[in-house]
Amino acid sequence: DAKTTQPTSMDCAEGRAANLPCNHSTISGNEYVYWYRQIHSQGPQYIIHGLKNNETNEMASLIITEDRKSSTLILPHATLRDTAVYYCIVIDYGQNFVFGPGTRLSVLP
Amino acid sequence: EAGVVQSPRYKIIEKKQPVAFWCNPISGHNTLYWYLQNLGQGPELLIRYENEEAVDDSQLPKDRFSAERLKGVDSTLKIQPAELGDSAVYLCASSITGGETQYFGPGTRLLVL
Repeated sequence: DAKTTQPTSMDCAEGRAANLPCNHSTISGNEYVYWYRQIHSQGPQYIIHGLKNNETNEMASLIITEDRKSSTLILPHATLRDTAVYYCIVIDYGQNFVFGPGTRLSVLP
Repeated sequence: EAGVVQSPRYKIIEKKQPVAFWCNPISGHNTLYWYLQNLGQGPELLIRYENEEAVDDSQLPKDRFSAERLKGVDSTLKIQPAELGDSAVYLCASSITGGETQYFGPGTRLLVL
């Protein structure tokens, strides 16, 4: 079973920031938080991952709470091409990824 | 750098027929994964290879599914015979080592009639 809980769906206006939450209240100290997204008819695409500190790359920012029990993926300026299913995954090194149903993000014009 | 390559992209077969999917991982990636994705659900792991060794095949239905990665590079997943319920997307992914970031191919969409 997935170790994370995400909202089923979210909407975001084009050009605005999209904030996607993920709850992982049972996370252990060695487990990373990974985010992937899957655009229709494509394979999942890696976005970002982190352990304790907040992370930022060219695609997104990852904010992890101090107790590590939840995180938020931020797409700073959402475009129509960001419409996808977003998966939050918690995993220890060497373990297999377990995907939940994810959050379906719809970016609206 | 080329990504994970899968072929074919689409396959339509009749039930009870065999089918095979091929995957070429990113160069230098030792770990290869096959996933099954049903409509509206997240991917589910079928098998994981470390080089040519299958280190986790616990979710592979071995009565009809088989996989190989003979030289530790590309891999083939086979279904024989296919059933209606096998209609799904079959995804291949690779990582430098197990537990590292995985990179996915575009998948093969299988329809069994």
